[in-house]
Amino acid sequence: DTAVSQTPKYLVTQMGNDKSIKCEQNLGHDTMYWYKQDSKKFLKIMFSYNNKELIINETVPNRFSPKSPDKAHLNLHINSLELGDSAVYFCASSQGARRGGQPQHFGDGTRLSIL
Amino acid sequence: SQKIEQNSEALNIQEGKTATLTCNYTNYSPAYLQWYRQDPGRGPVFLLLIRENEKEKRKERLKVTFDTTLKQSLFHITASQPADSATYLCALSVAAGNKLTFGGGTRVLVKP
Repeated sequence: DTAVSQTPKYLVTQMGNDKSIKCEQNLGHDTMYWYKQDSKKFLKIMFSYNNKELIINETVPNRFSPKSPDKAHLNLHINSLELGDSAVYFCASSQGARRGGQPQHFGDGTRLSIL
Repeated sequence: SQKIEQNSEALNIQEGKTATLTCNYTNYSPAYLQWYRQDPGRGPVFLLLIRENEKEKRKERLKVTFDTTLKQSLFHITASQPADSATYLCALSVAAGNKLTFGGGTRVLVKP
């Protein structure tokens, strides 16, 4: 069984469109994350939710809006897509957010390409 | 600003040898350091975690050291195998909260 699953795996769309990426984890974790990995392969944190509460909100354009309906799901909605949004977006989960040092479990990414 | 550096050049190594990767950081006082493996088209997979008060950690053929004075971690793969070929990422976090800051990764290629 896949522990952290993201859909879709590939997303090709036009500039200016609005799109969503979904993430689900079946590990029973209480914390979920969104990361962006750019063409240079740097993995950067965007958002984190702990028990549906936003706890990390990095400097990300407000076109990006995360939503956590419950602690097993974290979605990412992107408005008015731009060329620079092309990247691989990874979802991750861990148990516990208040104390550091918790290993994170990653999904296999959503490859977003903006035409 | 915080900086985490890993050797961006690929490491080519012969099967059976030990691969050694470095992770250097500046303007950071991490309480934890983690190493992840990433295969092409896949998400990172957690390998090892070492705390600031630990010098060394081992797991099977993997060994990690953490020197807070040098601000450096070394990651060793002993008796390397072609299946170890992947990109290896180091990630740091402080004591409170679980925000990970990743290095750029080092690609390892083990040749038979």
